Amino acid sequence: DAKTTQPNSMESNEEEPVHLPCNHSTISGTDYIHWYRQLPSQGPEYVIHGLTSNVNNRMASLAIAEDRKSSTLILHRATLRDAAVYYCILRRTSGSRLTFGEGTQLTVNP
Amino acid sequence: DSGVTQTPKHLITATGQRVTLRCSPRSGDLSVYWYQQSLDQGLQFLIQYYNGEERAKGNILERFSAQQFPDLHSELNLSSLELGDSALYFCASSGEGLAGGRGYNEQFFGPGTRLTVL
Repeated sequence: DAKTTQPNSMESNEEEPVHLPCNHSTISGTDYIHWYRQLPSQGPEYVIHGLTSNVNNRMASLAIAEDRKSSTLILHRATLRDAAVYYCILRRTSGSRLTFGEGTQLTVNP
Repeated sequence: DSGVTQTPKHLITATGQRVTLRCSPRSGDLSVYWYQQSLDQGLQFLIQYYNGEERAKGNILERFSAQQFPDLHSELNLSSLELGDSALYFCASSGEGLAGGRGYNEQFFGPGTRLTVL
């Protein structure tokens, strides 16, 4: 599986936007970009995914660079409940496993 | 609530023992995945079953085995337990179609079983 690189930690203030970056320079043409997050004491949960175009859902937005070598997860207004570890994962269309890296620990300050 | 249930929530046992972790996937999901989360290794994929058949294997030790039953629930068996097996074990399910694994289907994770080996 292609590797992703994320900052170990980031901090944000409540009700401000958060931009979580992810580098994936060895991404292949069939890799989807997935984001999952893990809240404290819980299992991971799906956030969003995309292939080439930017994507929006009720939780977040995903901005994908034109060359697909990086992406950014955008939380439009961070809440305390968004404090979690965020994982950026590449997933082949033919495979189903998730390969987790170390992720980014997001701290949201009140 | 993801719809995936795991039992037990906590398990404390001794080295050398054998335990069974149970997972019930979301209704209708054919695929079940097992992951291990430890402090030093992070979240690692162990094994996947699809409709009763093993589909993919990850970093699963030979002392560990799994199966998926006709009602689609799955069990992960851990034997000859060592201190290093202490971890959180997560089960996830997803609803790939009959054509097989489509890479963009989301996985729904259960709350996990915390295993402590003393």
